[in-house]
Amino acid sequence: DGGITQSPKYLFRKEGQNVTLSCEQNLNHDAMYWYRQDPGQGLRLIYYSQIVNDFQKGDIAEGYSVSREKKESFPLTVTSAQKNPTAFYLCASSDRTGYGYTFGSGTRLTVV
Amino acid sequence: KQEVTQIPAALSVPEGENLVLNCSFTDSAIYNLQWFRQDPGKGLTSLLLIQSSQREQTSGRLNASLDKSSGRSTLYIAASQPGDSATYLCAVFTNAGGTSYGKLTFGQGTILTVHP
Repeated sequence: DGGITQSPKYLFRKEGQNVTLSCEQNLNHDAMYWYRQDPGQGLRLIYYSQIVNDFQKGDIAEGYSVSREKKESFPLTVTSAQKNPTAFYLCASSDRTGYGYTFGSGTRLTVV
Repeated sequence: KQEVTQIPAALSVPEGENLVLNCSFTDSAIYNLQWFRQDPGKGLTSLLLIQSSQREQTSGRLNASLDKSSGRSTLYIAASQPGDSATYLCAVFTNAGGTSYGKLTFGQGTILTVHP
């Protein structure tokens, strides 16, 4: 079955560490996205990528980095520069027109 | 900058009621509008997508309308059931710089509780 796989489901980070969240899709979608969701709030766009080897900053990119070396993969690194990283992170993909927007099941990141 | 607002923030209704969720957006230059459902601690599931040239879409007990010129959309849920309890999110897809690529901007969601 086609879909998006995010791993891990839960992640704990110590202060000052970088961590990488995985996102893989087998839907043959060109576009991929990373969102952050805080309790009681909607989704805020961190980064998005329209094609391989290209990506753009979203509304809250500071303290995050991404890469898009393969069409299927769009990993997100939460760096130590992100001051408040505890949140629920969602990855999504779609075709170029926004059709078929599909979300992964999310990664919950907690700073300990 | 596109902003999306959803009203009400929360809604609690008895089973069987028909209900309406509202969504408004500030920039009418959208490519499409989508409604999603989110269960607690889960990802989002797409419910309905309305292209900018369309007025409404229906799927089962769900009907979504779009008035692009006024920047408004409504999601109508008929004969609500306890299983409909979830957060409903509205999002608009906006083109990026004249290309067909773009991104979704989300509202904060409406938390719906349907009690037996």
